[in-house]
Order: sequence, then C-alpha cells, then structure tokens
Amino acid sequence: DGGITQSPKYLFRKEGQNVTLSCEQNLNHDAMYWYRQDPGQGLRLIYYSQIVNDFQKGDIAEGYSVSREKKESFPLTVTSAQKNPTAFYLCASSIRFGEAFFGQGTRLTVV
Amino acid sequence: AQSVTQLGSHVSVSEGALVLLRCNYSSSVPPYLFWYVQYPNQGLQLLLKYTTGATLVKGINGFEAEFKKSETSFHLTKPSAHMSDAAEYFCAVSDRRSNYQLIWGAGTKLIIKP
Repeated sequence: DGGITQSPKYLFRKEGQNVTLSCEQNLNHDAMYWYRQDPGQGLRLIYYSQIVNDFQKGDIAEGYSVSREKKESFPLTVTSAQKNPTAFYLCASSIRFGEAFFGQGTRLTVV
Repeated sequence: AQSVTQLGSHVSVSEGALVLLRCNYSSSVPPYLFWYVQYPNQGLQLLLKYTTGATLVKGINGFEAEFKKSETSFHLTKPSAHMSDAAEYFCAVSDRRSNYQLIWGAGTKLIIKP
C-alpha cells in the first residue's frame, strides 16, 4: 500500500538534545512538507521541499533543520535551539495542485 | 496574500442534525479548495476537493461542499450527523500564485451531542 510513514509515533526529548523525526513516502511525490500542530493553532509550516536536494523554510523554521537526499525521505531534526518543541508533528507529501497526503504524526514531548 | 477563514473554532450539533462548517477564502485567481478531517492523535485525511468543473463536490462519509465564487466560500455540509463525525475539520486553499502551496484555516472542532 502506498502511503507516508512517520516514526516514531511518540518521542521524548531531554532539554538540550537534538532529535530526528523520520518521514518516508512511497507515493512517488516530488513535494514533501513538515507541519507543527499545537492545540487551537491549526497547522504551521516548518519546512518544505519540492525536489531532491532542495528545501525552503516555512513560517516557523527557527530551531529546526531538514534534509532531502532521497525523493522518498524527508527527516526533520528538532535542535536544542527550539525552545518549545513539545507539539504534534505532521509530515505530508503532494503532487501538483496542492492535494496533500499525511502521515499519522509524531508527538514530541520534552521531559 | 491568500487566506482561509473558518468561522467557529467549535461547532456543536445534535446527532441526526445538519452539519454546516463554514469556510471563506481569499484568492485573486481560480482556487483549488480542500476539506480535511483529523481524528485525535492522527494525521489529516482528505474529505473532498474542488479543482474545476462541478461546483458541488461530494466526498467521503456523506459530506459535500459547494464552491461559491461570488461569496468566496466553500462550506462543508452533511445532512445528518453521526457520533463518528466528531473530529477536527480543516479547510485549505491553493492556487498558482502560491505555487499550489496549501494555505490552511485554523480548524473547526465538530462536537456531536447524543
């Protein structure tokens, strides 16, 4: 079955640690996205990539980094510079015209 | 710049009653319009979309939406609410000026009363 796989589903981070969230898709989509979701705030775009080896900052990129070395993979690293990382993170991919397909999300908690 | 406004962060309806979730957008060029649903601790799932053609769009789970260009609206409706419809619903728009990036509404949480 084609789809988007995010792992892990739950992740705990200690203060000062970097953590990496995985996102893999087998839909052969060129574009991939990372969103952050906080209660009552909808979806906010962190980074997006429209082609391998290229990516752009979204609205809230500070404290995050990404790579796009393969079409299928778009990992997100939450760095220690992100002061409030506790949130639900969603990865998505899309074909042209914007229709996005989402993974099941990763819930990150700072402990 | 494009924007999407969803009226009401929470909407409560009785089981069996009409569901109406409102979405207004701003776009100076023909838009593509989407409704997504999110159940707790899950990703978003596409309910329906409008790209071109018929302005009344039918989606999954008995939902439909009508694109009204004159009102810049794309409201989501369902004739009879089920308990299983309780979820958060997001409206989104894209167009060629945004390079087809999705612009999201803030979401509306639908509460179903027994």
